[in-house]
Amino acid sequence: QKEVEQDPGPLSVPEGAIVSLNCTYSNSAFQYFMWYRQYSRKGPELLMYTYSSGNKEDGRFTAQVDKSSKYISLFIRDSQPSDSATYLCAMRKHRGSTLGRLYFGRGTQLTVWP
Amino acid sequence: NAGVTQTPKFQVLKTGQSMTLQCAQDMNHEYMSWYRQDPGMGLRLIHYSVGAGITDQGEVPNGYNVSRSTTEDFPLRLLSAAPSQTSVYFCASSYSWQGSTDTQYFGPGTRLTVL
Repeated sequence: QKEVEQDPGPLSVPEGAIVSLNCTYSNSAFQYFMWYRQYSRKGPELLMYTYSSGNKEDGRFTAQVDKSSKYISLFIRDSQPSDSATYLCAMRKHRGSTLGRLYFGRGTQLTVWP
Repeated sequence: NAGVTQTPKFQVLKTGQSMTLQCAQDMNHEYMSWYRQDPGMGLRLIHYSVGAGITDQGEVPNGYNVSRSTTEDFPLRLLSAAPSQTSVYFCASSYSWQGSTDTQYFGPGTRLTVL
């Protein structure tokens, strides 16, 4: 079992829809949680970064972390065709020999159609 | 700043050939890493380095070598290419491997095909 699970989709929504993307994880040592966006044939770019539990909002994007359930989410409000990309969740541990290492989900492919 | 650069962008090899994928960053980052990305598998860590002269294995290190002689460069060597190494390779770097808010910046990737 992978330490980070993410439904690969694909997910297809109309413009203006609210999108919900999710990941689950198994190791309680994860404390730092990230969402990366990857456009086709490009490298991943950081979208959101959160520490421990709670919500973080940045424009149309909201990241949620529920450590008690080992579950993280990314919400996209008023989705746009330019949001069409693969979204990868990633997380880091807060201690241990692999401190700097990122653990990635498989990525969810999102298409927003006009 | 150029950020993280990777060369070449594309490469086709025959089975058994060797080659080096280049990665460089101009941000004075301590931490550098190599990932491979395959359909349905996500990003998998191959090797990483926490500073010049220090490297360690990641999740899928077999068939690959790395070295870190300078802070800026972190080349990935394929010793004897196999079709299973057909993938997209990404290099990433971050300022520190211990910071609570540090995150990794990715290069544009190298698409490798092994025939």
